[in-house]
Amino acid sequence: DGGITQSPKYLFRKEGQNVTLSCEQNLNHDAMYWYRQDPGQGLRLIYYSQIVNDFQKGDIAEGYSVSREKKESFPLTVTSAQKNPTAFYLCASKPSPAYNQPQHFGDGTRLSIL
Amino acid sequence: ILNVEQSPQSLHVQEGDSTNFTCSFPSSNFYALHWYRWETAKSPEALFVMTLNGDEKKKGRISATLNTKEGYSYLYIKGSQPEDSATYLCAFETNTGNQFYFGTGTSLTVIP
Repeated sequence: DGGITQSPKYLFRKEGQNVTLSCEQNLNHDAMYWYRQDPGQGLRLIYYSQIVNDFQKGDIAEGYSVSREKKESFPLTVTSAQKNPTAFYLCASKPSPAYNQPQHFGDGTRLSIL
Repeated sequence: ILNVEQSPQSLHVQEGDSTNFTCSFPSSNFYALHWYRWETAKSPEALFVMTLNGDEKKKGRISATLNTKEGYSYLYIKGSQPEDSATYLCAFETNTGNQFYFGTGTSLTVIP
C-alpha cells in the first residue's frame, strides 16, 4: 500500500545531541513537509520541500535542518540548537506544489528529552 | 504566522446527536480551506478541500460549508456515531506560498 512511513515512533534525545527523524513516502509525491505539534497548539510548519534538492524554511525552522536528496525521503535533523525539542513531529506530502491538494500524513514521531 | 481558530476545543455528544464546529481564518490571501479527521494513534486523513465562497461538500453524514468573505467554515456531523470520535482539524492554504496553517482542532467524543 502507498503511504508515508515515519520512524522511529518514539525517540529520546540527550542534551547536546543531534537526532534525525526519518520520513519516507512511496506515493511519488513531489512536495513534502515537516510539522511540529505542541500541546494546545496547531501543527506548525518547520520545513517544506517542493522538489528534490530544494527546501524552504517554515515558521519555526530554527534549530532544525533537512535534506531532500531523493524524491521519496525527507529526513529532519533536530540539532542541539533546538532548545525545546520535546514535541510530536508529523511528516506530510502532496502530489505536487500546486494548490488545492490535500496533504497525506505519516503516523508521527514523538521526541522526548532524557 | 496566520491565526486559524477552531471552536469548540472539545465536544461530547450522545450517539445519534447531530453536531457542528467552526473554523475561523483570515479572509485575505485565501486559496483553500482543508478539513482533516485525526483518530487517536492514526494519521490525519483528508475530508474536504474547499475553495469557493458558498461551497458545500458532503461525505456520508459529514458536510462542510465555506464563507470566504467572513472567514469561516462549518463542519456538520449528522447522527453522530462512536466511530466519528476523533479530532477534526482545519487548515488554511494561502495563495502566497505553499504553506498550510492549521487550527488546534476540535476533539469530538461520541458516547454510545
